[in-house]
Parts: sequence; structure tokens; C-alpha cells
Amino acid sequence: AQSVTQPDIHITVSEGASLELRCNYSYGATPYLFWYVQSPGQGLQLLLKYFSGDTLVQGIKGFEAEFKRSQSSFNLRKPSVHWSDAAEYFCAVVTSGTYKYIFGTGTRLKVLA
Amino acid sequence: GAVVSQHPSRVICKSGTSVKIECRSLDFQATTMFWYRQFPKQSLMLMATSNEGSKATYEQGVEKDKFLINHASLTLSTLTVTSAHPEDSSFYICSARGPLAALETQYFGPGTRLLVL
Repeated sequence: AQSVTQPDIHITVSEGASLELRCNYSYGATPYLFWYVQSPGQGLQLLLKYFSGDTLVQGIKGFEAEFKRSQSSFNLRKPSVHWSDAAEYFCAVVTSGTYKYIFGTGTRLKVLA
Repeated sequence: GAVVSQHPSRVICKSGTSVKIECRSLDFQATTMFWYRQFPKQSLMLMATSNEGSKATYEQGVEKDKFLINHASLTLSTLTVTSAHPEDSSFYICSARGPLAALETQYFGPGTRLLVL
């Protein structure tokens, strides 16, 4: 069965430090992969997506993610975190045909001043 | 582009009443919309898939008579929580499948927080 795993429930980093949020997926075919961010009490905002091609994907707000087929991973990175990046981050994979999302359980990011 | 709105953003109702939540795609036509429920500090749970002009498809365990979904136009889907009870209190989020250029991408509304007293 298809699944998405975000191993880290909480991550705390200092402002200005680098960030990597992990995402692993289980999917038979080449997946469509997404990262979304959710601020408290808000909906989800699309950060970036990967469908094919270059495995390093650039997104909004200075985020990037790298697709690694051999590791079934799609980790999200940012070189220097800002206090405004504190939020919940969700990785998702699309199931082909139905276009339904399978979400990971999310990683809550806390940024220390 | 690809903006989705929800109304209301918050609603408080008495137990036993019904509540309607609207989801609109503002600048594109969405043949497919999705309704999610999110419990505090948890991920999103897909409740149903709404296709314009046809009946919604509900996920296993979701009561279709309790959560009525109507997708009467290409820009509007509604979720009605009927005979609401306190356990229905939650954060409800809709999304719309993207325009032709981005069918695989879902664009999410800001969510509706429902509190049933």
C-alpha cells in the first residue's frame, strides 16, 4: 500500500540555521510528490512539487527539495531558517488515476530566536 | 492564480443543527474538489471527493448521510454537516484539483473551524 512517512514529529532549529525535513514514500510507480506548509489555523500552502525531470526542485520562500529514487525520499531543505518559517509541514504523494493525496503525519517546526 | 476560498472561517452551532460550509475556486474551474477533516495536531483525513455534476465519493468510514456534499457548479462545492454533535467539532479543509495545466496539484482553502456546543 502507498504511504508517506515523516519520521520527525517535531524539529527545533535556531533562526539562521539550516533545515532539513525528511519524507519517505512507498509507491510502486514514479510518484508525484508535494510539500505543503500550514500555519496555525490556516489552510495548506504549496511550497513545491516534483513530477519528473530535475530531481532538485526549487520552491517558494527559499525552500528546495531533492527527489532520491534509490532512497524513496523527498526531503525538504532551507539553508537559513527565518522565524516566520515556524509552522507544520506536510509531505504528500498523489495516487495515479484518482489524484487523491496521501499525506504524511506532518512535522512541526519551531524556530528559536 | 489558483485561489480557493472557504466560508465561513469559523462557525459555532448548537448540537442537533446543520451547518453548511462553502468551498469556491476563485480563478479557475475545478471539476474535482476534496473535503478533508483535521483533528488538532494531526494530519488531514480525506473525507470525500466531490465531482461537479455527480455524486460525491466518500472514504471508508465517513457517513454520507451526515456529511452531505454538493458540487453544483465548476467553482462551488458545499459540505453540510447534518444534525451536528460535539464530536463533529473539527477543522474542515477543502481543496480543488488544479486547472488543466496542473491537474495533479490540489489547491487548499483556508479551512473552517466548526465548534458544536
